[in-house]
Amino acid sequence: EIVLTQSPDTLSLSPGERATLSCRTSQSVSSNYLAWYQQKPGQAPRLLIYGASNRATGIPDRFSASASGTDFTLTISRLEPEDFGVYYCQQYGGSPLYTFGQGTNLDIK
Amino acid sequence: QVQLQESGPGLVKPSGTLSLTCAVSGGSVSNDNWWSWVRQSPGKGLEWIGEIHPSRGPNYNPSLKSRVTMSLDKSKNQFSLSVTSVTAADTAVYYCARNGFYCLYWGQGTLVTVSS
Repeated sequence: EIVLTQSPDTLSLSPGERATLSCRTSQSVSSNYLAWYQQKPGQAPRLLIYGASNRATGIPDRFSASASGTDFTLTISRLEPEDFGVYYCQQYGGSPLYTFGQGTNLDIK
Repeated sequence: QVQLQESGPGLVKPSGTLSLTCAVSGGSVSNDNWWSWVRQSPGKGLEWIGEIHPSRGPNYNPSLKSRVTMSLDKSKNQFSLSVTSVTAADTAVYYCARNGFYCLYWGQGTLVTVSS
């Protein structure tokens, strides 16, 4: 099983600050097959990034993402109050086909 | 815009069978797409259960494969999930989704509690 380890578990930042979230995979994952989601309480996850660095439709350009080997990074350049929530990375292609990281809880101060 | 809506019993007895349906609108389950179920235990992360394609059949999470069956009803434009021999560990919010290499469209989720 390809394990995705996200760090940190919790991130507390103020509006306007920069957030950097990390996702490390236990095995090589094609950049085409790495996605990021945002989930708010009581809601389904929302796709933010696919193919490691492509913003989904309607996602603001303050969200960006990159990949380097087995390390994947989601950056929010200037936090807005609505950016709070739990962020998950997800890979496709291993066994099971889809696995998610444990999540990073982004808390807005 | 594709929309998905889960439905089914919110309470299932231990050792029973959990059955859920996902109704799809704004798109057809007969098209060349994969349709998934993902669950989230209370306060926990996301777990992929399986996916089904109209012509390629299902793929299941190996950890659940012995207890899971997915099916697709083209006439009703919906797909379904069945999980047998449920325990408290199967208590979760169950989401249906349309996926490729990632899940773009999600249902709102439905809470299923396993309890006597």
